Amino acid sequence: DQQVKQNSPSLSVQEGRISILNCDYTNSMFDYFLWYKKYPAEGPTFLISISSIKDKNEDGRFTVFLNKSAKHLSLHIVPSQPGDSAVYFCAASAKTGANSKLTFGKGITLSVRP
Amino acid sequence: DAGITQSPRYKITETGRQVTLMCHQTWSHSYMFWYRQDLGHGLRLIYYSAAADITDKGEVPDGYVVSRSKTENFPLTLESATRSQTSVYFCASSLAGSLAKNIQYFGAGTRLSVL
Repeated sequence: DQQVKQNSPSLSVQEGRISILNCDYTNSMFDYFLWYKKYPAEGPTFLISISSIKDKNEDGRFTVFLNKSAKHLSLHIVPSQPGDSAVYFCAASAKTGANSKLTFGKGITLSVRP
Repeated sequence: DAGITQSPRYKITETGRQVTLMCHQTWSHSYMFWYRQDLGHGLRLIYYSAAADITDKGEVPDGYVVSRSKTENFPLTLESATRSQTSVYFCASSLAGSLAKNIQYFGAGTRLSVL
């Protein structure tokens, strides 16, 4: 049973528009959530995170929203740029700092059209 | 600042052979991890280590062996490679602790093909 779900395998948006990437989780013990970005032939790189005590965290063009009651988070990219084209992984951890394990979703491939 | 490096980047081996993937980090991070990435599965945890000489199984440990004699190295060994172990393998490290917020830093990956 997958605890972190990224149900849409791909997303295509026009340059300059908003990209919204969704993620759902089932484990109510998760208290910290992260987004990673991965380019082909490279390792995933950390993008942005949010603690369960917050409902929003913003970093430049990237904003992550957390809805704990719905067990749902989303990553907004505004404005989208062609360089944002990559695979985005949602990840979650329980008991922050306890053992540092992350559970990853399957990833969403974002394509930003010029 | 080298960060976290994996070697080799590409490896082709045959069924039944033993192969070791290397991972080295220069940050003195306490935690290290091995993942495999497969189409349709995302990133799945194979093994992880909280410190030197402390290792534990992840989600898909069967067929793999790890060791951590030094903090900076975390090799992954496939004792008898099978075709199902063809994958891209990523090593990661984490400082852990509440301030570090469980952020993991990944190497560039090793693409392994078992023929």
